[in-house]
Formats: sequence, C-alpha cells, structure tokens
Amino acid sequence: GQQVMQIPQYQHVQEGEDFTTYCNSSTTLSNIQWYKQRPGGHPVFLIQLVKSGEVKKQKRLTFQFGEAKKNSSLHITATQTTDVGTYFCAGMWFNNAGNMLTFGGGTRLMVKP
Amino acid sequence: DARVTQTPRHKVTEMGQEVTMRCQPILGHNTVFWYRQTMMQGLELLAYFRNRAPLDDSGMPKDRFSAEMPDATLATLKIQPSEPRDSAVYFCASGFGGGNIQYFGAGTRLSVL
Repeated sequence: GQQVMQIPQYQHVQEGEDFTTYCNSSTTLSNIQWYKQRPGGHPVFLIQLVKSGEVKKQKRLTFQFGEAKKNSSLHITATQTTDVGTYFCAGMWFNNAGNMLTFGGGTRLMVKP
Repeated sequence: DARVTQTPRHKVTEMGQEVTMRCQPILGHNTVFWYRQTMMQGLELLAYFRNRAPLDDSGMPKDRFSAEMPDATLATLKIQPSEPRDSAVYFCASGFGGGNIQYFGAGTRLSVL
C-alpha cells in the first residue's frame, strides 16, 4: 500500500540551531499535510501544501512540497524549546475508499536549552 | 470551541478484560478515524468511517478489536479480550472526507496489566 517515509526519526539540537525533517512518498501525492504533537499531547494540524513546488512559511517554520509532489520538508530556523515535539507529515492519495491520508512515522525533535 | 472528545482519558485494566473507548466527533464532520500510537509504531490507522459506514479496518486485529458508529455523534472502539500488547494511546480523529484535515481528540491512554 501507500507508504510515507519520514527522516530522521529523532533529532537533538541545541537551542538556536536549525532543524529539518524530510518526508518521501512512494507515489505522487495530491497534497501533503504537516502535524505537530507536543509531548503528552495529540497531533495538531499545521499546514497543507497542494501545488507542485509550493513553499509556505509560518514564522520560523518553512514548508516545501517537491516538484514531483512525492516529497516534502519542514525546516525550523533557530529552534526554541517550544518547538519540542514530534512532527508528522501526512500524504493524501486515493484508494477504493476515496481520499486517504497516510501518516509518516514522525520526527521527534528535542531541543537543549 | 469545537473539539473531538474521547473518553476515558486513561484506562488501566487487567489482561482478559473488555475495554471500550468512546469518541464524539466534531459536529458536522462525516469521517472518523481510530489510530493507535506506541513509541515503536508511530500513528497506526486502525479503522476509518465515512458517514458512519466502515470503509477501512484493515489495520485492526479482527479477532479482538471491533469499531462501530452507532450514531453520528458516537464512535466506539472495543477490545475483547485485552492483552498487555494492546497498551498504547488510542486517538480518534474526525474531519470532512478522508484526505482532508484531521482533528484529533486528546486520546485514551490504555494500560493492560
């Protein structure tokens, strides 16, 4: 079935350093979504990318969708301790049930103050 | 503030007991998802309903798990009999359509002793 791979699984950074997580799909996606889960919390929607090559920014977060719509990245500039959590990408594709989201395995970000 | 409500938030039970988890999706949403999250497995899709009809439960162990939507305001996930390997956080999410933004509940943390 559809697979969405996310790397790295874990990342430790010093506060102020940059961080990037990458998401790759085995097939072309209709769109990609990103979620953040704080420790002990639940996943919360951050953003959706739809167009090939799309780039969106939310303050220190930059999201990119690849030209082939098979990969995406989330980059955080100058990490802060509030960025701690697990970041999931979720790719939208089609199956017999219609549209489906498939979540990547997540990247757990830890920030040392 | 519309939100997905899950009960109970925490459940500790003994092996062999029946466990029932409940989810109230956001009013008006037509899709409901059940996920299981462990440290090792990330977000694992167990079941997916659209307009109360089960569309995909291929991720669910059929011998002991069952998922239903008795009405549009209630989704249930049952485990009978429960086993220690079922210990995890179970999330319910709702949305419009299968590939659109998913809104997660706070989760039920299940411990089977």
